[in-house]
Amino acid sequence: NAGVTQTPKFQVLKTGQSMTLQCAQDMNHNSMYWYRQDPGMGLRLIYYSASEGTTDKGEVPNGYNVSRLNKREFSLRLESAAPSQTSVYFCASSEWAGSNSPLHFGNGTRLTVT
Amino acid sequence: GQQLNQSPQSMFIQEGEDVSMNCTSSSIFNTWLWYKQDPGEGPVLLIALYKAGELTSNGRLTAQFGITRKDSFLNISASIPSDVGIYFCAGREMGSSNTGKLIFGQGTTLQVKP
Repeated sequence: NAGVTQTPKFQVLKTGQSMTLQCAQDMNHNSMYWYRQDPGMGLRLIYYSASEGTTDKGEVPNGYNVSRLNKREFSLRLESAAPSQTSVYFCASSEWAGSNSPLHFGNGTRLTVT
Repeated sequence: GQQLNQSPQSMFIQEGEDVSMNCTSSSIFNTWLWYKQDPGEGPVLLIALYKAGELTSNGRLTAQFGITRKDSFLNISASIPSDVGIYFCAGREMGSSNTGKLIFGQGTTLQVKP
């Protein structure tokens, strides 16, 4: 079982470049999320999609856009990368956006912006 | 935004010792989750708690949902080297059930000396 798959695993960008982080889940989950992880700060929610066709901002959405392409896929786009976006990005999914539905995480994308 | 205070930040213990870590919030939560993250991987769910006072075990791990709904603890008994990693608490505030948004603690880094 693949679970949540993220690509790429590593990426280095120059300031101002753009890129899209891909995420797909094979668990037929309705809800998907993008988090970033920085040292000493835990995981912070960037954007989430409670169900196919909907997206909402999380705690730190500035500088990012998302697309819920279909039920399986949820992508995160950096239009003009900045050094402050150097981080580890995690995609997650849950059966539904409710309190009794734990998140399942991918293995992360490690992004460095120089 | 809401913050979770997780302590301790790090622990360095001898194999066989018991471990305890906790998380507190300033508001009432309706869900507490505990995750473990191994190097280079995404967080993996250890224990989920959904009721105040709930005490749940998963092997050598035991977690409790505090009576006040503002705290939770995780205990690991008889630690072994493979317990090494970062442990995160996460929770959902009352009223956030429809969005599924999780708030994460800063993490507790556990190191076990054989």
